[in-house]
Amino acid sequence: KQEVTQIPAALSVPEGENLVLNCSFTDSAIYNLQWFRQDPGKGLTSLLLIQSSQREQTSGRLNASLDKSSGRSTLYIAASQPGDSATYLCAVRRVNTGTASKLTFGTGTRLQVTL
Amino acid sequence: GAGVSQSPSNKVTEKGKDVELRCDPISGHTALYWYRQSLGQGLEFLIYFQGNSAPDKSGLPSDRFSAERTGGSVSTLTIQRTQQEDSAVYLCASSHGTSGVDTQYFGPGTRLTVL
Repeated sequence: KQEVTQIPAALSVPEGENLVLNCSFTDSAIYNLQWFRQDPGKGLTSLLLIQSSQREQTSGRLNASLDKSSGRSTLYIAASQPGDSATYLCAVRRVNTGTASKLTFGTGTRLQVTL
Repeated sequence: GAGVSQSPSNKVTEKGKDVELRCDPISGHTALYWYRQSLGQGLEFLIYFQGNSAPDKSGLPSDRFSAERTGGSVSTLTIQRTQQEDSAVYLCASSHGTSGVDTQYFGPGTRLTVL
């Protein structure tokens, strides 16, 4: 059974700092990995999706890397801003067998960026 | 265009009552997913639809839970004889492709409280 863990569970940083969020998964037979952010009382917003054949994806100040063999992904946020405060979730989709489309989510990292 | 919408946004019910939660996916999206987010449990997959059929129901926690999708669009998640442990935020997501492995777009969720 796939288990996804995120460290740290919570993080508080001053504005402007660069930071790294970690995600680890136990079964390396994944199809892709996705990072989401969740704001209080709202749904999930997709940030980056990395296919299993890729090593990283970038979008603006965000960079996500994937090391499938070691079961790890990191989300790097550059020059953090108060608007980045949210819970960040990683999710993996296992190898596509035609029905294996569900995402297995990590426990999340709650980020607070202070002024 | 409009994103995934869910109704109601909040639902308070008494133990033993039945509830129906509704999801309107993004127009043209063939795949639809239900997830549940509970305190201390994280985000768990419930069921996946491709069109009107559900190839993966593996996450439904008991036979009190059922879901249907009609016309390849709107989906309803029904919980019969609700229990206090059913209290959670129920999230719906949709995606475009028929393979079911592309980016999932989430709705804002329905917060269910069972008294």
